[in-house]
Amino acid sequence: GNSVTQMEGPVTLSEEAFLTINCTYTATGYPSLFWYVQYPGEGLQLLLKATKADDKGSNKGFEATYRKETTSFHLEKGSVQVSDSAVYFCALRGANDYKLSFGAGTTVTVRA
Amino acid sequence: AAGVIQSPRHLIKEKRETATLKCYPIPRHDTVYWYQQGPGQDPQFLISFYEKMQSDKGSIPDRFSAQQFSDYHSELNMSSLELGDSALYFCASSIPGGTYNEQFFGPGTRLTVL
Repeated sequence: GNSVTQMEGPVTLSEEAFLTINCTYTATGYPSLFWYVQYPGEGLQLLLKATKADDKGSNKGFEATYRKETTSFHLEKGSVQVSDSAVYFCALRGANDYKLSFGAGTTVTVRA
Repeated sequence: AAGVIQSPRHLIKEKRETATLKCYPIPRHDTVYWYQQGPGQDPQFLISFYEKMQSDKGSIPDRFSAQQFSDYHSELNMSSLELGDSALYFCASSIPGGTYNEQFFGPGTRLTVL
């Protein structure tokens, strides 16, 4: 079945540091890949997405590239802010699915 | 912009009681998904509906049932509640057949079973 393996946290960074959260997946066919963010006490928000190999999703300074050869979708941000403190979930939707399969989530804390 | 509405936002129940969670999708979204997120865990898919018919089923206990109504809102009914049912329950909605079938999530209902 489909599965997502995500870098375990927690991750603590200083403001303006570089952030990388690793995500790899197992799926048949060509899944769509997503990063969701969950701020404290809130629901899940879609951060970015990619639907085919070599697509790069980007939003709010975050980027992730769909790498089929390495089955990865790593999230990166060049300069984090305190407001980026949240839990980040990598997720996939199988080619023949509508449901999302999530990774375990990575808690990111950015200190001023 | 209108978002997914879930009610109630918080619910406290005793063991063996029943609970009903409601989800109102974004207007013109006809697909609804339910996810369960235990403490410190990733969301797990429970069940989904498209045009009032069950479209997919995940790890939903037999004690739970759900349906989608003619106005596309959905209800998740939970009976014989157990302590382990304490979780955040998310509803998401989408338009099927979209470019990437993005799911828009509601704020969640936090269920606490005592």
